[in-house]
Amino acid sequence: QSALTQPASVSGSPGQSITISCTGTSSDIGSYNYVSWYQQHPGKAPKLMVYDVANRPSGVSNRFSGSKSGNTASLTISGLQAEDEADYYCSSYSSINTLWFGGGTRLSVL
Amino acid sequence: QVQLVQSGGEVKKPGASVQVSCKASGYNFSAYGISWVRQAPGQGLEWMGWISDHRRDRQFSQNLQGRLTMTTDTSTSTAYMELRSLTSDDTAVYFCARGLYKWELPIDFDYWGQGTLVTVSS
Repeated sequence: QSALTQPASVSGSPGQSITISCTGTSSDIGSYNYVSWYQQHPGKAPKLMVYDVANRPSGVSNRFSGSKSGNTASLTISGLQAEDEADYYCSSYSSINTLWFGGGTRLSVL
Repeated sequence: QVQLVQSGGEVKKPGASVQVSCKASGYNFSAYGISWVRQAPGQGLEWMGWISDHRRDRQFSQNLQGRLTMTTDTSTSTAYMELRSLTSDDTAVYFCARGLYKWELPIDFDYWGQGTLVTVSS
């Protein structure tokens, strides 16, 4: 088995919206609502942005939203800001009692 | 406030072992599980394993099973990760991370340690 699949990079202009996809299988994303999204700036620890598919931790902007359809989860960032430029990772629990991460997506704010 | 403070960077020779500590503060250590996640230079995140709450159930990544040990010391609120038979592929930043929910498996992480760079080189 391999990591979840994310696009290597996405980009957008300030104020625009972007969506990052995360594709798994029926053994992970398709079976469980345990999908999380993390933001990581260079040299820093990851930060939880969305958990359980669509929930935001306290303090995370409502510009960040998560969803899931079938074996694919998505993170949407609306009203892009310069500080959103970072790497984003999805994760999902799987039926073999394992946690998978996606390969990561670099977001560029042009 | 919740904090996870990890031990400092290490340089190891191939074949050696490394232990990284993660000292927790600001919460009931026994109520939350800890996962270990690593990140090779320029690469993505890789889950290594978890140790659950007070029950201390453990689960390891298949890639690392047999080389990885995870323990906790509740008297000092510290989690430990030991990786044996190191190779250059184990060069990475190692993170500890707290599970989001009390009494549940640590599969979403709300607090992270600062990371510990382990370099394996002859």
